[in-house]
Amino acid sequence: QKEVEQNSGPLSVPEGAIASLNCTYSDRGSQSFFWYRQYSGKSPELIMSIYSNGDKEDGRFTAQLNKASQYVSLLIRDSQPSDSATYLCAVNSNSGYALNFGKGTSLLVTP
Amino acid sequence: GAGVSQSPSNKVTEKGKDVELRCDPISGHTALYWYRQSLGQGLEFLIYFQGNSAPDKSGLPSDRFSAERTGGSVSTLTIQRTQQEDSAVYLCASSLGPYMLNEQFFGPGTRLTVL
Repeated sequence: QKEVEQNSGPLSVPEGAIASLNCTYSDRGSQSFFWYRQYSGKSPELIMSIYSNGDKEDGRFTAQLNKASQYVSLLIRDSQPSDSATYLCAVNSNSGYALNFGKGTSLLVTP
Repeated sequence: GAGVSQSPSNKVTEKGKDVELRCDPISGHTALYWYRQSLGQGLEFLIYFQGNSAPDKSGLPSDRFSAERTGGSVSTLTIQRTQQEDSAVYLCASSLGPYMLNEQFFGPGTRLTVL
C-alpha cells in the first residue's frame, strides 16, 4: 500500500494569516497530486491539482510540488474562518486511476 | 451543470441484510470510482469503472461487495449480508476519462449504518 502522510493537526491560524499544509508520499512514480477540502459531514471538494514541480496559484491557494523530496504542500493566504475544514492530500495510485488519500489535516482559522 | 449525485443519502440496515447504493456521475464523465470513508479513517478506494467495465476492483474488501455500471452512466454498489464493519460513508466520484491527470469530483455520499 502506497502511503500518503499528513499531520492530523489541528492546525490553528489567526484570520488573515497564511496557513501551510504539508503532505509526503512514498511512491516515486506518482504523477498527479490533488488537494481536497472536506467540511464536517460533507464530501471532499477539489480545490487544487498539480502535476509539475514548482508552484501553482489559484486565488488565495498555492500548491507546491517537489517530486525529488516527494513532498506537496498547500498554502492558503489571507485565511478566513470559512477555510476551517479538513484538507485531504491525494496522490494517484500505481494503477494511475484510483487516488490514495492522506488522513487529512484539520485547519482551524480563528477570528 | 449538475454534479455527481448519490442515493440514498442515508441508509440504516440490519446486520445480514443486502443494500444497494446508487451513483449518477457528471454527464460526459466516462470514469467512475467508489470510495468509502470510515470514522477516523482516510478515504479507501473500492472500485473503478471505465465505461461499463471495471478494470480495477482491487479495493473491494470482500466478495460480499460488488458493483456494476450500465449505459456508461449510473453505477450501483451492492453489499450483501452487511456487517457492522461495513458502516461508513460511501462516496462516488467521476472524472472525464481514465487518465491519471483527470480530476475526480465527488458526490455527497451515502452514509450507511449497519445495526
